[in-house]
Amino acid sequence: ILNVEQSPQSLHVQEGDSTNFTCSFPSSNFYALHWYRWETAKSPEALFVMTLNGDEKKKGRISATLNTKEGYSYLYIKGSQPEDSATYLCAFIEGGGGADGLTFGKGTHLIIQP
Amino acid sequence: GAVVSQHPSRVICKSGTSVKIECRSLDFQATTMFWYRQFPKQSLMLMATSNEGSKATYEQGVEKDKFLINHASLTLSTLTVTSAHPEDSSFYICSAYRTTPTQYFGPGTRLTVL
Repeated sequence: ILNVEQSPQSLHVQEGDSTNFTCSFPSSNFYALHWYRWETAKSPEALFVMTLNGDEKKKGRISATLNTKEGYSYLYIKGSQPEDSATYLCAFIEGGGGADGLTFGKGTHLIIQP
Repeated sequence: GAVVSQHPSRVICKSGTSVKIECRSLDFQATTMFWYRQFPKQSLMLMATSNEGSKATYEQGVEKDKFLINHASLTLSTLTVTSAHPEDSSFYICSAYRTTPTQYFGPGTRLTVL
């Protein structure tokens, strides 16, 4: 059974502050790591798909890094805004290809306080 | 682009009845669709992988006779929970995959079995 861990479980951040959280995953047989942003009553929104060790991806104020050798990824949010409040999920795919199911962590629930 | 709808969003049924959940890719053809469920305070867990025109592949511990999956077209997959019982109460969510590694998710269905 694959183990994907996310920390912290929840996080309260003041508006304007920057924050980051972690996803750890098995370092062997890696294919890809996904980050999703999930707001209540909406579909999870794909943020990044990361495949290469050392990858860094950016989308506006959100960025992510990947270390496949040690099995972790960080998600960073710069200058947090209230609309960033959501649950952030990471999901791992083993070697074999993208048409495989995802193994999810439990998520980091982020609350931005005005 | 890449919108996935799911219907219904919420359903309450009596124990022993069957419930069908539809997952549609609205603006693309999905070669593969996935079904996940999430119990309270747990992560999204893969139930089954559904390929158009072939039998679904179920994860260990998921009863294929209880959770019937039909993927009759490249834009529609259905999950039928047969003879539902209170322990089947959960959040069910589908995702659709085309050719990129990203999986696109529906908004989910909250099933409550009384």
